[in-house]
Amino acid sequence: EAGVTQFPSHSVIEKGQTVTLRCDPISGHDNLYWYRRVMGKEIKFLLHFVKESKQDESGMPNNRFLAERTGGTYSTLKVQPAELEDSGVYFCASSQDLGQLNTEAFFGQGTRLTVV
Amino acid sequence: AQTVTQSQPEMSVQEAETVTLSCTYDTSENNYYLFWYKQPPSRQMILVIRQEAYKQQNATENRFSVNFQKAAKSFSLKISDSQLGDTAMYFCAFMKHVKTRGGSNYKLTFGKGTLLTVNP
Repeated sequence: EAGVTQFPSHSVIEKGQTVTLRCDPISGHDNLYWYRRVMGKEIKFLLHFVKESKQDESGMPNNRFLAERTGGTYSTLKVQPAELEDSGVYFCASSQDLGQLNTEAFFGQGTRLTVV
Repeated sequence: AQTVTQSQPEMSVQEAETVTLSCTYDTSENNYYLFWYKQPPSRQMILVIRQEAYKQQNATENRFSVNFQKAAKSFSLKISDSQLGDTAMYFCAFMKHVKTRGGSNYKLTFGKGTLLTVNP
């Protein structure tokens, strides 16, 4: 079974440009999460989708970040325009919904974004 | 708000020896979950072990075990018989019990991580 996959694995862009990160969750997982780790700091929650709906987007840093999950399958996270402080590793995770918390969240490898 | 503190940015251990990674957290919640995740170099982050706060018994998964001290808000990870493949970044994480219409919410609060190197 394929795990959570993220594209690209690395991205280097100039300040002011736009970048779109993609996450393909495990098939059948309704829950999809985005997290970000800025170098040397904690991994921080960005947002949570349940199918195509945003359940919680309290961690989104500002309106330069736009996440979508059309059709409830893969998700994209667009940063426009990118700033230097957006550099970091962006993780995606997915989990099943069994109505109880014995499920596990599975993480992708992350996308390393460098804004220069 | 919850916070998770990992006070050891880096640790090293000799192969076959035992190492303990520390984690403390701060919360006013009574029902919550604690996790240790492992991220090997250039690979996915995977769940190592989880602990439900209402369980007094410490969780164990093969060579990995935790020392959960709820009153002290401490959740250390012990790795026995360390292997070269244990070399990774280890993250401690907290999750409060949030019931949503989706049934679960893995809104995790992570520590900064501890880089563990197992030496041959």
